[in-house]
Amino acid sequence: DIQMTQSPASLSASLGETVTIECRASEDIYNGLAWYQQKPGKSPQLLIYNANSLHTGVPSRFSGSGSGTQYSLKINSLQSEDVASYFCQQYYDYWTFGGGTKLELK
Amino acid sequence: EVQLVESGGGLVQPGASLKLSCVASGFTFSDYWMSWVRQTPGKTMEWIGDIKYDGSYTNYAPSLKNRFTISRDNAKSTLYLQMSNVRSEDTATYYCTRGMDAWGQGASVTVSS
Repeated sequence: DIQMTQSPASLSASLGETVTIECRASEDIYNGLAWYQQKPGKSPQLLIYNANSLHTGVPSRFSGSGSGTQYSLKINSLQSEDVASYFCQQYYDYWTFGGGTKLELK
Repeated sequence: EVQLVESGGGLVQPGASLKLSCVASGFTFSDYWMSWVRQTPGKTMEWIGDIKYDGSYTNYAPSLKNRFTISRDNAKSTLYLQMSNVRSEDTATYYCTRGMDAWGQGASVTVSS
């Protein structure tokens, strides 16, 4: 099984700040990496797929990068509506998820 | 609009069986692989498995394949998850998904005596 290690587990940031969340795979996943946003009581919403492709309708302040085993999600100019939990997911070999990052406003 | 609506969750005793359903609308259900994912109360996400568009092939997480069965009825645009011999660690919200881009609202399952 491919393990996904996501960091940090929680993050506090100010409006307008840039935040970065990272995910490390236990082996090369060849950009088979997605990022999701989940708000309380809601289902996950796809943000990024193929490591760096923005899903339809997702604001351009979200971006993904990385390759091999290391990937990251960047949120530029943090907005209040970005307060949520974020998950990475590998889909190179079935699906496994990172442990999540809870993003709060400072 | 793509919609996935799960049902069948609730409180169930350890060792019992439970069948979840997911009714799809807004797209041609029979064209897509479908998946089940669960999220524990501690927010850990776990892929359960998936099923080919025609129902001829399934994949499962190794830890669950002996107790969980995924099936579908394309005529009813419905996906199913049969859970058997449930345990307390199966307590979670269960989501059906169409690939990665569409998730249902989730069905809550609590396993407790």
